Amino acid sequence: KQEVTQIPAALSVPEGENLVLNCSFTDSAIYNLQWFRQDPGKGLTSLLLIQSSQREQTSGRLNASLDKSSGRSTLYIAASQPGDSATYLCAVRGTYKYIFGTGTRLKVLA
Amino acid sequence: GAVVSQHPSWVICKSGTSVKIECRSLDFQATTMFWYRQFPKQSLMLMATSNEGSKATYEQGVEKDKFLINHASLTLSTLTVTSAHPEDSSFYICSARALRRDSSGNTIYFGEGSWLTVV
Repeated sequence: KQEVTQIPAALSVPEGENLVLNCSFTDSAIYNLQWFRQDPGKGLTSLLLIQSSQREQTSGRLNASLDKSSGRSTLYIAASQPGDSATYLCAVRGTYKYIFGTGTRLKVLA
Repeated sequence: GAVVSQHPSWVICKSGTSVKIECRSLDFQATTMFWYRQFPKQSLMLMATSNEGSKATYEQGVEKDKFLINHASLTLSTLTVTSAHPEDSSFYICSARALRRDSSGNTIYFGEGSWLTVV
Protein backbone atom coordinates (compact mmCIF):
# COMPACT_ATOMS: atom_id res chain seq x y z
CA LYS A 1 0.00 0.00 0.00
CA GLN A 2 1.42 3.34 -1.07
CA GLU A 3 2.17 5.79 1.72
CA VAL A 4 3.28 9.35 1.16
CA THR A 5 5.06 11.36 3.83
CA GLN A 6 6.01 15.00 3.80
CA ILE A 7 8.67 16.51 6.00
CA PRO A 8 8.68 18.96 7.63
CA ALA A 9 5.03 19.33 8.57
CA ALA A 10 5.53 23.04 9.09
CA LEU A 11 8.23 25.48 8.16
CA SER A 12 8.78 29.15 8.89
CA VAL A 13 11.53 31.03 7.09
CA PRO A 14 12.53 34.65 6.54
CA GLU A 15 11.90 36.17 3.16
CA GLY A 16 14.58 35.55 0.57
CA GLU A 17 15.67 32.16 1.78
CA ASN A 18 15.95 29.19 -0.50
CA LEU A 19 14.14 26.19 0.89
CA VAL A 20 13.49 22.54 0.23
CA LEU A 21 10.34 20.59 0.91
CA ASN A 22 10.56 16.83 1.04
CA CYS A 23 8.20 14.11 -0.06
CA SER A 24 8.81 10.38 0.31
CA PHE A 25 6.78 7.45 -0.89
CA THR A 26 6.97 3.76 -0.15
CA ASP A 27 6.13 2.18 -3.52
CA SER A 28 8.39 3.22 -6.37
CA ALA A 29 5.99 1.90 -9.02
CA ILE A 30 4.47 5.27 -9.75
CA TYR A 31 3.09 6.85 -12.90
CA ASN A 32 3.89 10.40 -11.91
CA LEU A 33 4.24 12.75 -8.96
CA GLN A 34 2.62 16.13 -8.64
CA TRP A 35 3.19 19.06 -6.33
CA PHE A 36 0.26 21.25 -5.37
CA ARG A 37 -0.21 24.44 -3.47
CA GLN A 38 -3.20 24.94 -1.20
CA ASP A 39 -4.03 28.34 0.24
CA PRO A 40 -6.17 28.53 3.38
CA GLY A 41 -9.82 28.35 2.48
CA LYS A 42 -9.03 28.18 -1.22
CA GLY A 43 -8.60 25.56 -3.85
CA LEU A 44 -5.76 23.39 -4.99
CA THR A 45 -3.28 24.67 -7.54
CA SER A 46 -1.05 22.31 -9.46
CA LEU A 47 2.55 23.53 -9.42
CA LEU A 48 4.65 20.88 -11.09
CA LEU A 49 4.09 17.41 -12.47
CA ILE A 50 6.96 14.99 -12.92
CA GLN A 51 6.47 11.87 -14.99
CA SER A 52 8.05 8.69 -13.69
CA SER A 53 10.64 8.83 -16.47
CA GLN A 54 11.71 12.35 -15.59
CA ARG A 55 14.20 13.57 -13.02
CA GLU A 56 13.06 17.12 -12.53
CA GLN A 57 10.73 19.87 -13.62
CA THR A 58 11.14 23.61 -13.28
CA SER A 59 8.71 26.48 -13.28
CA GLY A 60 9.96 29.93 -12.37
CA ARG A 61 11.41 29.82 -8.87
CA LEU A 62 10.23 26.26 -8.34
CA ASN A 63 12.16 23.13 -9.09
CA ALA A 64 10.94 19.65 -8.33
CA SER A 65 13.09 16.57 -8.49
CA LEU A 66 12.17 12.91 -8.49
CA ASP A 67 14.25 9.92 -7.46
CA LYS A 68 11.97 6.96 -7.98
CA SER A 69 14.41 4.34 -6.81
CA SER A 70 14.76 5.95 -3.40
CA GLY A 71 11.13 6.99 -3.24
CA ARG A 72 11.82 10.69 -2.85
CA SER A 73 10.90 14.00 -4.36
CA THR A 74 11.92 17.47 -3.36
CA LEU A 75 10.40 20.82 -4.12
CA TYR A 76 12.96 23.60 -4.15
CA ILE A 77 11.73 27.17 -3.78
CA ALA A 78 14.27 29.84 -4.58
CA ALA A 79 14.25 33.31 -3.05
CA SER A 80 11.11 32.72 -1.04
CA GLN A 81 8.50 35.46 -0.76
CA PRO A 82 5.64 36.06 1.69
CA GLY A 83 3.27 35.20 -1.14
CA ASP A 84 4.70 31.69 -1.13
CA SER A 85 3.08 31.08 2.26
CA ALA A 86 0.70 28.16 1.82
CA THR A 87 0.43 24.43 2.33
CA TYR A 88 2.34 22.38 -0.21
CA LEU A 89 1.09 18.91 -1.03
CA CYS A 90 2.76 16.19 -2.99
CA ALA A 91 0.69 13.47 -4.58
CA VAL A 92 1.84 10.22 -6.11
CA ARG A 93 -0.13 8.53 -8.83
CA GLY A 94 -0.40 4.78 -9.23
CA THR A 95 -2.60 3.62 -12.10
CA TYR A 96 -5.27 6.30 -11.79
CA LYS A 97 -5.43 6.93 -8.07
CA TYR A 98 -3.47 9.68 -6.41
CA ILE A 99 -2.17 9.28 -2.87
CA PHE A 100 -1.55 12.59 -1.16
CA GLY A 101 0.90 13.50 1.55
CA THR A 102 -0.26 15.45 4.58
CA GLY A 103 1.45 18.57 3.37
CA THR A 104 4.01 21.08 4.55
CA ARG A 105 2.67 24.36 5.91
CA LEU A 106 5.06 27.07 4.82
CA LYS A 107 5.18 30.54 6.25
CA VAL A 108 7.52 33.08 4.74
CA LEU A 109 8.10 36.03 7.02
CA ALA A 110 8.49 39.52 5.59
CA GLY B 1 -5.31 23.37 -21.94
CA ALA B 2 -7.66 20.97 -20.23
CA VAL B 3 -9.67 22.43 -17.42
CA VAL B 4 -11.78 20.82 -14.75
CA SER B 5 -14.31 23.07 -13.14
CA GLN B 6 -15.93 22.53 -9.78
CA HIS B 7 -18.99 24.32 -8.57
CA PRO B 8 -19.61 25.75 -6.11
CA SER B 9 -16.23 26.74 -4.73
CA TRP B 10 -17.83 27.52 -1.40
CA VAL B 11 -21.11 26.33 0.04
CA ILE B 12 -22.75 26.63 3.41
CA CYS B 13 -25.75 24.46 4.17
CA LYS B 14 -27.90 23.62 7.14
CA SER B 15 -27.71 20.30 8.95
CA GLY B 16 -30.05 17.76 7.51
CA THR B 17 -30.13 19.20 4.03
CA SER B 18 -28.45 17.83 0.92
CA VAL B 19 -25.88 19.64 -1.11
CA LYS B 20 -24.61 18.92 -4.60
CA ILE B 21 -21.14 19.61 -5.94
CA GLU B 22 -20.52 19.51 -9.67
CA CYS B 23 -17.36 18.54 -11.47
CA ARG B 24 -17.15 19.38 -15.16
CA SER B 25 -14.48 18.72 -17.72
CA LEU B 26 -14.63 21.83 -19.89
CA ASP B 27 -12.75 20.90 -23.04
CA PHE B 28 -12.40 17.16 -22.94
CA GLN B 29 -14.42 14.06 -22.27
CA ALA B 30 -13.70 12.19 -19.10
CA THR B 31 -14.23 8.46 -18.86
CA THR B 32 -13.41 8.43 -15.21
CA MET B 33 -13.76 10.97 -12.46
CA PHE B 34 -12.45 10.75 -8.95
CA TRP B 35 -13.68 12.39 -5.76
CA TYR B 36 -11.37 13.21 -2.87
CA ARG B 37 -12.03 14.61 0.58
CA GLN B 38 -9.70 16.38 2.96
CA PHE B 39 -10.26 16.20 6.68
CA PRO B 40 -8.84 19.08 8.75
CA LYS B 41 -5.06 18.88 8.95
CA GLN B 42 -5.03 15.61 7.06
CA SER B 43 -4.22 14.65 3.52
CA LEU B 44 -6.68 14.33 0.69
CA MET B 45 -8.21 10.87 0.57
CA LEU B 46 -9.90 9.20 -2.36
CA MET B 47 -13.61 8.70 -1.69
CA ALA B 48 -14.81 7.10 -4.88
CA THR B 49 -14.17 6.51 -8.54
CA SER B 50 -16.94 7.06 -11.04
CA ASN B 51 -17.13 5.83 -14.61
CA GLU B 52 -19.57 7.35 -17.05
CA GLY B 53 -22.81 5.42 -17.15
CA SER B 54 -22.03 3.03 -14.34
CA LYS B 55 -22.12 2.97 -10.57
CA ALA B 56 -19.32 4.56 -8.64
CA THR B 57 -16.78 2.46 -6.79
CA TYR B 58 -16.38 3.62 -3.23
CA GLU B 59 -13.30 3.32 -1.07
CA GLN B 60 -13.51 1.39 2.15
CA GLY B 61 -15.20 3.35 4.89
CA VAL B 62 -17.05 5.76 2.60
CA GLU B 63 -20.84 5.60 2.92
CA LYS B 64 -22.26 5.34 -0.58
CA ASP B 65 -25.77 6.23 0.59
CA LYS B 66 -24.51 9.40 2.13
CA PHE B 67 -22.18 10.48 -0.65
CA LEU B 68 -24.10 9.96 -3.85
CA ILE B 69 -22.02 10.14 -7.00
CA ASN B 70 -23.52 10.42 -10.43
CA HIS B 71 -21.52 10.42 -13.66
CA ALA B 72 -24.30 10.78 -16.19
CA SER B 73 -22.25 12.20 -19.02
CA LEU B 74 -18.66 12.26 -20.20
CA THR B 75 -18.26 15.82 -18.99
CA LEU B 76 -20.11 15.91 -15.71
CA SER B 77 -19.95 14.11 -12.39
CA THR B 78 -21.82 15.20 -9.28
CA LEU B 79 -21.28 14.49 -5.62
CA THR B 80 -24.33 14.89 -3.40
CA VAL B 81 -23.83 14.94 0.34
CA THR B 82 -27.16 13.80 1.75
CA SER B 83 -28.53 14.70 5.17
CA ALA B 84 -25.43 16.74 5.83
CA HIS B 85 -23.95 16.96 9.30
CA PRO B 86 -21.34 19.37 10.64
CA GLU B 87 -18.75 16.58 10.49
CA ASP B 88 -19.24 16.49 6.73
CA SER B 89 -17.71 19.95 6.58
CA SER B 90 -14.64 19.46 4.50
CA PHE B 91 -12.75 20.24 1.31
CA TYR B 92 -13.91 18.12 -1.61
CA ILE B 93 -12.00 17.92 -4.87
CA CYS B 94 -12.55 16.04 -8.08
CA SER B 95 -10.22 14.92 -10.80
CA ALA B 96 -10.97 13.68 -14.29
CA ARG B 97 -9.21 11.33 -16.67
CA ALA B 98 -9.29 12.45 -20.28
CA LEU B 99 -10.76 10.17 -22.92
CA ARG B 100 -8.25 10.54 -25.71
CA ARG B 101 -6.36 8.16 -27.92
CA ASP B 102 -3.17 10.15 -27.79
CA SER B 103 -0.74 10.16 -24.90
CA SER B 104 -2.80 12.72 -23.02
CA GLY B 105 -5.54 10.13 -22.75
CA ASN B 106 -3.95 8.97 -19.58
CA THR B 107 -3.73 12.41 -18.06
CA ILE B 108 -5.71 13.27 -14.96
CA TYR B 109 -6.71 16.84 -14.31
CA PHE B 110 -7.80 18.24 -10.96
CA GLY B 111 -10.53 20.69 -10.19
CA GLU B 112 -9.85 23.48 -7.75
CA GLY B 113 -12.00 22.00 -5.04
CA SER B 114 -15.09 22.92 -3.07
CA TRP B 115 -15.31 23.94 0.56
CA LEU B 116 -18.42 22.67 2.33
CA THR B 117 -19.50 24.03 5.69
CA VAL B 118 -22.48 22.45 7.40
CA VAL B 119 -24.02 24.55 10.17
